[in-house]
Amino acid sequence: QVQLQESGPGLVKPSETLSLTCTVSGGSVSSGSYYWSWIRQPPGRGLEWIGYVYFSGSANYNPSLKSRVTISIDTSKNQFSLNLRSVTAADTAMYYCAREGRSSSNFDNWGQGTLVTVSS
Amino acid sequence: QSVLTQPPSASGTPGQRVTISCSGSTYSNIGSSYVYWYQQLPGMTPKLLIYNNNQRPSGVSDRISGSKSGTSASLAISGLRSEDEADYYCAQWDDSLSSPVFGGGTKLTVL
Repeated sequence: QVQLQESGPGLVKPSETLSLTCTVSGGSVSSGSYYWSWIRQPPGRGLEWIGYVYFSGSANYNPSLKSRVTISIDTSKNQFSLNLRSVTAADTAMYYCAREGRSSSNFDNWGQGTLVTVSS
Repeated sequence: QSVLTQPPSASGTPGQRVTISCSGSTYSNIGSSYVYWYQQLPGMTPKLLIYNNNQRPSGVSDRISGSKSGTSASLAISGLRSEDEADYYCAQWDDSLSSPVFGGGTKLTVL
């Protein structure tokens, strides 16, 4: 059974960069069958897809966040990471990493999520 | 750009059958690719409930079913129970964006 685990700071100051890592166990991020995604959920609100990275390193992002987001992958560590620049309070959310069947919206495995608060 | 629309809320009494809709704006939204449904229990991580329009992953109750027709998809829960009280999200791949899209979510209340 694939397991995903998010890690990173729970508090980030406005205008700084939010950085999270997702460590995958029980499966390989080098699999060509999956995208490795980040999804967030502001308190009391719905799910918002942030972006995904493929094992090759190619990535795709939500157009609303594209100018501030980078998602990268480290196959040697079986991890992928999220960087979100110039954060504001509106970026306060639960951040989930998830495995997505390629070109499908089939998020079959999720991390438990990590709450990131943007505040000075 | 694909937009998936869900009612913000739904409700039912124990034992009832309830349905939650997910509508696309054109055939190309819903009709062209598979629809997925996710359940998010209070304070929990979302869980895949239905894939490929109407398939249940192992372990999901057969009280749960999915369907798709034209520009709409539906999630049905029969024999409603208190533990079904959760938020439900539909999702679909958008070929034009090469990305997934989520519906806004429906909060199901068991009265």
